Amino acid sequence: NAGVTQTPKFRVLKTGQSMTLLCAQDMNHEYMYWYRQDPGMGLRLIHYSVGEGTTAKGEVPDGYNVSRLKKQNFLLGLESAAPSQTSVYFCASSPWATYEQYFGPGTRLTVT
Amino acid sequence: GESVGLHLPTLSVQEGDNSIINCAYSNSASDYFIWYKQESGKGPQFIIDIRSNMDKRQGQRVTVLLNKTVKHLSLQIAATQPGDSAVYFCAATETNYGQNFVFGPGTRLSVLP
Repeated sequence: NAGVTQTPKFRVLKTGQSMTLLCAQDMNHEYMYWYRQDPGMGLRLIHYSVGEGTTAKGEVPDGYNVSRLKKQNFLLGLESAAPSQTSVYFCASSPWATYEQYFGPGTRLTVT
Repeated sequence: GESVGLHLPTLSVQEGDNSIINCAYSNSASDYFIWYKQESGKGPQFIIDIRSNMDKRQGQRVTVLLNKTVKHLSLQIAATQPGDSAVYFCAATETNYGQNFVFGPGTRLSVLP
């Protein structure tokens, strides 16, 4: 049981480049989330999904898109990366009707 | 909107002592709270939660206290151990609005030998 996994672990992008971060969970959880974590700040919710084929905006959605085509996967896309998107990105999942979130190990993204 | 903050960014305690980490929230409609532990280089890990219909909840070596009157919660760790060294976050949400948690900035706990 791998839990929540994230790919890649590290990435460096140039301004304007695009990329997709992949999150996968093998716990059959309904809910999935993408957060960003910046120094000295708590996690901020980017987007989340309450089920396959559904997504919703969180606190800081601008500049990001997401897709949940399969229940076990949640993709976060950056269409045109900006230096302000330099951050550590965490994916999480939780079972239906609970709020206990299981987090992945994070992806450290640097945009130059 | 909701904001969640912690009173101290860092806390140092002697091994074996009790630790108390505090958190304040702004939205009186918040009715569910979680404490997370984040070790260096890892994702946050669930420690304990509490709903607004409770004042206190205990887990293994941890206790969360909720004071809705002053919108404050605390995490108490008994007999603090070196393995407790980490950053601790509180998070709050209004369950009527689903899963949109607001996290505090975190308190870094250092356990001194």
